[in-house]
Amino acid sequence: KQEVTQIPAALSVPEGENLVLNCSFTDSAIYNLQWFRQDPGKGLTSLLLIQSSQREQTSGRLNASLDKSSGRSTLYIAASQPGDSATYLCAVSLIITGANSKLTFGKGITLSVRP
Amino acid sequence: GAGVSQTPSNKVTEKGKYVELRCDPISGHTALYWYRQSLGQGPEFLIYFQGTGAADDSGLPNDRFFAVRPEGSVSTLKIQRTERGDSAVYLCASSREGNNEQFFGPGTRLTVL
Repeated sequence: KQEVTQIPAALSVPEGENLVLNCSFTDSAIYNLQWFRQDPGKGLTSLLLIQSSQREQTSGRLNASLDKSSGRSTLYIAASQPGDSATYLCAVSLIITGANSKLTFGKGITLSVRP
Repeated sequence: GAGVSQTPSNKVTEKGKYVELRCDPISGHTALYWYRQSLGQGPEFLIYFQGTGAADDSGLPNDRFFAVRPEGSVSTLKIQRTERGDSAVYLCASSREGNNEQFFGPGTRLTVL
């Protein structure tokens, strides 16, 4: 059974800091990995999708990397801003079921960026 | 374009009652998913539709839960004889054929008293 772990559960940093959020998964046979942002009381916003054949994806100040063999992904946020405060979740889908398959989520990391 | 929409945004019901939660996916998305999220947890998979059929319902917790997607677009999640433990945020997501990037709706917060 695929398990996704995100540690620590919460993180507080001063504005302007570059930071890395970690995600690990137990079954390396993944189809893809997706990073989401969730604001309190809201749904999930897709940030980045990394296919299993890719090593990284970038969008603006965000960069996500994937190391399938070690079962790890990182989300790098450059020059953090108070508006980045939210919960960040990673999720994976398995290669067995392929495209359009269920996601297994971590519990998320709640980020607070202090002005 | 319009994103995934869910109605109602909040639903309060009494133990034992029947509820229906609705999801409108992004137009043209053939795949539709239901997840459930409890406080402080990540979303947990319930059921996945490809078109009108349930391709994977392995996440439904018991037979009180049922979902339909009769015309391959809108889906309804139905919960019979609700229990307090069913209280959670129910999230719907959709994706295009052959592409697993899932786009989520705002969720329905269900509270069973």
